[in-house]
This record gives sequence, C-alpha cells and structure tokens, in this order.
Amino acid sequence: QQQVKQSPQSLIVQKGGISIINCAYENTAFDYFPWYQQFPGKGPALLIAIRPDVSEKKEGRFTISFNKSAKQFSLHIMDSQPGDSATYFCAATGGTSYGKLTFGQGTILTVHP
Amino acid sequence: NAGVTQTPKFQVLKTGQSMTLQCAQDMNHNSMYWYRQDPGMGLRLIYYSASEGTTDKGEVPNGYNVSRLNKREFSLRLESAAPSQTSVYFCASSNSGTLPFFGPGTRLTVL
Repeated sequence: QQQVKQSPQSLIVQKGGISIINCAYENTAFDYFPWYQQFPGKGPALLIAIRPDVSEKKEGRFTISFNKSAKQFSLHIMDSQPGDSATYFCAATGGTSYGKLTFGQGTILTVHP
Repeated sequence: NAGVTQTPKFQVLKTGQSMTLQCAQDMNHNSMYWYRQDPGMGLRLIYYSASEGTTDKGEVPNGYNVSRLNKREFSLRLESAAPSQTSVYFCASSNSGTLPFFGPGTRLTVL
C-alpha cells in the first residue's frame, strides 16, 4: 500500500521554466513533509521540508505548497536550471521518530539548457 | 567529518550467499536506519534503531537482520541472499526531532 503517491514519474522542463511535482498522502498522522533531491550514484539529500501548520514554505528557488484539507503537497522549482536535473522524492513522517519516512515513488527531472 | 559512510559501494552475490552491509556515522546521532531503493518504489524502510541497544522492524524486514554495534555503527545482514534483494541500500541517521541524513548507498546485485 503506497501511502504517499507522487506524480509525475518524469518531467522535462526548459531552462528558466517552472518545475512542479505533486504528492498526496493518506495517513492523517503524518505531520512533517520533506522533499529529498538525489543525484545519480548519490544518497538522497534533504532539500526543503514543511509542517502542516503553514500553507507554503520558500527557500531560494524551491517552494513547498501544502493543502491540509486535500492531503496534498507540491514542490515548485522556479527558474529551473540544468543543475537541478535529479530525482526528487517527497516523503512524510510523524510521531516521535522523524527518521521513519514514507517516500513517494520519485520524479526524474530533466532541465534542458 | 564524513557524515554517514557505507561499505562496500558495490557487491555482487550469488543466490544463497550471505553478506553484511556496514554503516557508520560520526554525527553523534542516536537513531539509525536502513532503507532500500527500487525503481518506481521510492525508498522503503527495512529496519531502524531508535537508540543504541534497540532495533525494530520497518516496512520490509523479511530476509534481513540488523545489529546496532554501538552508537556509531549499524549493520545490515542478508543471511541467504535472493534475487528479490537486488537493490540499492541506504543507511541514514538522525537525532530526535530531526530528519535523517543519508549515506552514499551500496548497490547490491544478487544473481
């Protein structure tokens, strides 16, 4: 049972464009929603995270939008760059151990120059 | 300060062979985790250790065992490897209230 569903599986964007990746979750016990970025041959690295008491969080070109009633959240990458080409994972966690993450399936982002 | 280190980086096993994946962290984190990554599945939690001396099953524990050797080290053992265990394995660590930091991974192929 996939508790966090992520779409699209792959995304191609031109340099300077906006990349949008969406996730939906089922478990209302989740209370922390991170996004991880993974380059080929490397481990996932924390990019940005949001708690459900806010609807948006921005860090540089990366923004998370959160809709608690719909149980959905999304990552927006503004002014996408070729160096942003990577696999992006949304995740959800809660309770006492934030290390026990439930991941989405991943989105392979390609930014063309 | 290396963060999370994993050995080996690559491994090829035959069905039925055993092996241990090693993980160490130098961030003084209390909790450690083992995940596997498969195409189209994201990462799934195999086992975790909330603190030294404790271990618990995650989402996909079958076919694996773990040992929390000390605060720094957390190993994952495959007693009798199967082709279904072909995957990329990631170790991670964290402290209470923080999100985990992942290692570089071990790519395992079981023939």
